[in-house]
Amino acid sequence: DAKTTQPPSMDCAEGRAANLPCNHSTISGNEYVYWYRQIHSQGPQYIIHGLKNNETNEMASLIITEDRKSSTLILPHATLRDTAVYYCIVRVIFRDDKIIFGKGTRLHILP
Amino acid sequence: EAQVTQNPRYLITVTGKKLTVTCSQNMNHEYMSWYRQDPGLGLRQIYYSMNVEVTDKGDVPEGYKVSRKEKRNFPLILESPSPNQTSLYFCASSYTSGRGEFFGPGTRLTVL
Repeated sequence: DAKTTQPPSMDCAEGRAANLPCNHSTISGNEYVYWYRQIHSQGPQYIIHGLKNNETNEMASLIITEDRKSSTLILPHATLRDTAVYYCIVRVIFRDDKIIFGKGTRLHILP
Repeated sequence: EAQVTQNPRYLITVTGKKLTVTCSQNMNHEYMSWYRQDPGLGLRQIYYSMNVEVTDKGDVPEGYKVSRKEKRNFPLILESPSPNQTSLYFCASSYTSGRGEFFGPGTRLTVL
């Protein structure tokens, strides 16, 4: 079973910030939070990851709560091209471990 | 250009006819994996490999085989395909240091 819970769908107005939540209440101390997105049936695209500190890159920001039980992916200025399914997963690194994706959040950007 | 390539991209076959889907990456990644994606079920990992000659089962390994004889290649083998293996398949690779997986373009397989 997936170790994360996400809302099945969300809407966001174009130009506004899209805030996508993820619950990972059973996360272990050595598990990182990763976000990916998938546009139509293309291969998923890596967005960002973090352990406990907030992270930012050219695509998005990742806010992880202090207890690490949830996180939020922020797309600061959503465009129509951000319409996709967004997946939040947790995984360890430097270690043999399988990866489990959940069903993700389908984000609709409204013009 | 850094990429993961899969071949073929589309395949229609019949039950029981052995097939191989190839996957190759040019980024010197240690970790490689195969996923299948089905409507309503999301992405499910089939097999993964931490490095050459090291493979392990993911969530749905039944009916599949893999091998990792070279670092860059990770073929997916269906010895006796069945209709329930009709799916969209993705290969992915990453460093074990965790910079995020890089996915291939997908292979759409139909088993009649």
